[in-house]
Amino acid sequence: TQLLEQSPQFLSIQEGENLTVYCNSSSVFSSLQWYRQEPGEGPVLLVTVVTGGEVKKLKRLTFQFGDARKDSSLHITAAQTGDTGLYLCAGNTGGFKTIFGAGTRLFVKA
Amino acid sequence: NAGVMQNPRHLVRRRGQEARLRCSPMKGHSHVYWYRQLPEEGLKFMVYLQKENIIDESGMPKERFSAEFPKEGPSILRIQQVVRGDSAAYFCASSPRSAQETQYFGPGTRLLVL
Repeated sequence: TQLLEQSPQFLSIQEGENLTVYCNSSSVFSSLQWYRQEPGEGPVLLVTVVTGGEVKKLKRLTFQFGDARKDSSLHITAAQTGDTGLYLCAGNTGGFKTIFGAGTRLFVKA
Repeated sequence: NAGVMQNPRHLVRRRGQEARLRCSPMKGHSHVYWYRQLPEEGLKFMVYLQKENIIDESGMPKERFSAEFPKEGPSILRIQQVVRGDSAAYFCASSPRSAQETQYFGPGTRLLVL
């Protein structure tokens, strides 16, 4: 069974702090996505990574895809209250199904 | 330039009734996916469809649940004889040409079974 494990499950930090969340698997992915979901809404795509070792930046967010394409991390610099949400990683191994991690719930306090 | 659209956004049904959830994919997308999300949990894959074809329904319960994506019109997820355990958020996603491409999500339908 393919699994995507995300850690930590919950994270509560003060505004201005930095944080990193992780997405790990024993499977190799042809592509991996990070989404953010706010309460009452659908997941919104943040980034897609496809190349081992790839690093992508989106303002204060830095995404890294592991060299072996089995894991990924999301680093947020100087978190803001607007970053609060559920962060989901999703991976495709080249087949029909995209699998999702259970998510990291981030709460940024003012 | 509309994204994935789902309706209704909220649906209340009594036990035993039928629920019909609709999804219109992004323009130009021919692949549709349905997911279920329980409170405080991640997304669980249910079914993957192309126009007029079910490609993978391995995540969908064998009974009471069905899905279609007709040649014309939206994709429909149908739940017959709903039970309280069906209460959840149901999300639809679409991708352009293949299951290997990035999926874009709709806002979801929140189903409450009384």
